[in-house]
Amino acid sequence: ETGVTQSPTHLIKTRGQQVTLRCSSQSGHNTVSWYQQALGQGPQFIFQYYREEENGRGNFPPRFSGLQFPNYSSELNVNALELDDSALYLCASSKGSETQYFGPGTRLLVL
Amino acid sequence: GIQVEQSPPDLILQEGANSTLRCNFSDSVNNLQWFHQNPWGQLINLFYIPSGTKQNGRLSATTVATERYSLLYISSSQTTDSGVYFCAGRLQGAQKLVFGQGTRLTINP
Repeated sequence: ETGVTQSPTHLIKTRGQQVTLRCSSQSGHNTVSWYQQALGQGPQFIFQYYREEENGRGNFPPRFSGLQFPNYSSELNVNALELDDSALYLCASSKGSETQYFGPGTRLLVL
Repeated sequence: GIQVEQSPPDLILQEGANSTLRCNFSDSVNNLQWFHQNPWGQLINLFYIPSGTKQNGRLSATTVATERYSLLYISSSQTTDSGVYFCAGRLQGAQKLVFGQGTRLTINP
């Protein structure tokens, strides 16, 4: 157990809808990173939040957005869902740039 | 950005066998981690090993930073070792971990 939790565990949406995924970081960690893992691929970096500010972003369009709250938990929001957004979404918490610890993930299916 | 190449992509072994998984990086990384992804998708930290050698039970890892590669050794494999193994690295000053494509390990009884 890493102490990182994510909700929901599974989600089914239709194209064009919006989705919000949630992540609670491990106690003592102030940084949350989000990754998207398509079937059969390695995780791809979406963005990172450090002390409530976006601290780096991967090659994802602006319809992927996020928030970090004062307790360091985080949300990932995806607007105008597309079929290719179907994936496992993983969040990882860390103390700054130290080792990242991953949550169990949210499986999103877009129909 | 950096490229991470893992080999082999697939490995099928009998219980009790030993295995070596390799990870090559296109650039120097200062944060190198090995993970095991279980069938439910959870990424489990195995090693943080930017350089040197570490051991944890039947698993050990070696990173040769000057030659930009890392090796994960699994001895006396058990069926519970099955799953996908990922290595990931981060450039100095960068935020993101860059993952390889993974090695799918299947241990048959």
